[in-house]
Amino acid sequence: NAGVTQTPKFRILKIGQSMTLQCTQDMNHNYMYWYRQDPGMGLKLIYYSVGAGITDKGEVPNGYNVSRSTTEDFPLRLELAAPSQTSVYFCASMGSGQNEKLFFGSGTQLSVL
Amino acid sequence: AQRVTQPEKLLSVFKGAPVELKCNYSYSGSPELFWYVQYSRQRLQLLLRHISRESIKGFTADLNKGETSFHLKKPFAQEEDSAMYYCALKGGTYKYIFGTGTRLKVLA
Repeated sequence: NAGVTQTPKFRILKIGQSMTLQCTQDMNHNYMYWYRQDPGMGLKLIYYSVGAGITDKGEVPNGYNVSRSTTEDFPLRLELAAPSQTSVYFCASMGSGQNEKLFFGSGTQLSVL
Repeated sequence: AQRVTQPEKLLSVFKGAPVELKCNYSYSGSPELFWYVQYSRQRLQLLLRHISRESIKGFTADLNKGETSFHLKKPFAQEEDSAMYYCALKGGTYKYIFGTGTRLKVLA
C-alpha cells in the first residue's frame, strides 16, 4: 500500500518556467490537499478538493492551479514560477467518517532561481 | 479569522523533564483540534485529536475553550520525542489550518 505518492522529490526551476507537481493516492480518499512549508512559517494550505471535479482555494492560492479529474490524482500546477514559490510542497489525503486524519506525502522540494 | 498560533519555534528540555507545547486558536465555531508530528526523515503524521481524548506515546492534550488553547503535554520527555510538532484546526468542512510548528529537542 503506497499511500500518498508525490513526484518529483526535488526540482529546480528558472523564473517564469512552469511545472506540475504530481500527487496520487491509492486509498480511495475523497479529500486531498496541497500545502507549502516555508521555514518558520509552518504549513500553509494552497488548494484542497473534497472529491473528483471539486476544488477550492486555501490560504495561499495565488500563482497555483489544481485539477481533480479522478479520485486518485490531484496535480498542482505552477504556471509562471517565481522565487517566492521556493518551498517544500506537501500533498495530503483523507478518508471520511471516524477515520478522519490526514495522510501526507513525502514532499517536493522546489527551488525557483 | 481562523488561526492557529504556536508561540515557540524551539523548545529544548532534558530527558525526563515535563514537556508542554503551546497551541492557541482562533475560531468562531465549535473547534476540532489535532496535533501532528514529523520525526526526522519521516512523513508528517497524526499524533492525536482532541475529540478522541486519548493518550498517544504518553502525550495528552486538553481543549480549553475558555482560553482557546490546546496545549500538548507529556510528564517525562524521552529522546525519541524530538521532532517537529504542529497544531492543526479544522476550520470548516474538511479544511485544515496548521500552526507554524514547534521543534522539540530532548537533551540527554
